[in-house]
Amino acid sequence: QKEVEQDPGPLSVPEGAIVSLNCTYSNSAFQYFMWYRQYSRKGPELLMYTYSSGNKEDGRFTAQVDKSSKYISLFIRDSQPSDSATYLCAMNRAAGNKLTFGGGTRVLVKP
Amino acid sequence: DTGVSQDPRHKITKRGQNVTFRCDPISEHNRLYWYRQTLGQGPEFLTYFQNEAQLEKSRLLSDRFSAERPKGSFSTLEIQRTEQGDSAMYLCASRGQGVSTDTQYFGPGTRLTVL
Repeated sequence: QKEVEQDPGPLSVPEGAIVSLNCTYSNSAFQYFMWYRQYSRKGPELLMYTYSSGNKEDGRFTAQVDKSSKYISLFIRDSQPSDSATYLCAMNRAAGNKLTFGGGTRVLVKP
Repeated sequence: DTGVSQDPRHKITKRGQNVTFRCDPISEHNRLYWYRQTLGQGPEFLTYFQNEAQLEKSRLLSDRFSAERPKGSFSTLEIQRTEQGDSAMYLCASRGQGVSTDTQYFGPGTRLTVL
């Protein structure tokens, strides 16, 4: 069993809809949680970074962390076709340590 | 461009050949990481450096793989006697010292195809 599980999708939504993504993890030592966006054949780009349980909002993006359930989420409001990409969750035990990634969820936003 | 750069972007080689990739991190970033990503999967950690010291290596990094960061700036990843299973995207990331957020900035990757 992988340490971080993520539904591979694809998740297809109409333009303007809310995209809901999530990851579950098994290692309670994970303290820092990130969401990356990756376009085809490109490197991952950091979207959100959170530490400890709670919510964090940045523009159209909201990240949630529930450490008691070992569950993290990313919500994208007012989705645009340009949001079509693979979204990767990542986490680590301490700042600066290696990242453990989920397998990624492919998202398609249709005009 | 002040981002992480990687060279080459694409490499096609025959099984059994040696290949070397280069990563130039963001200037003054002291930590440099290598990850490998296969199609449809998330990146998997290979190794990382703090300055010139290699601090951790994954069990994925077999004896055929070697990474160096001789002067604490750019890094190279060499794969000897390549196998078809080595075909993947090799990603490099860097992180600065003392940043308040644990932000690893990724390069565009080197896509390796072993025939």
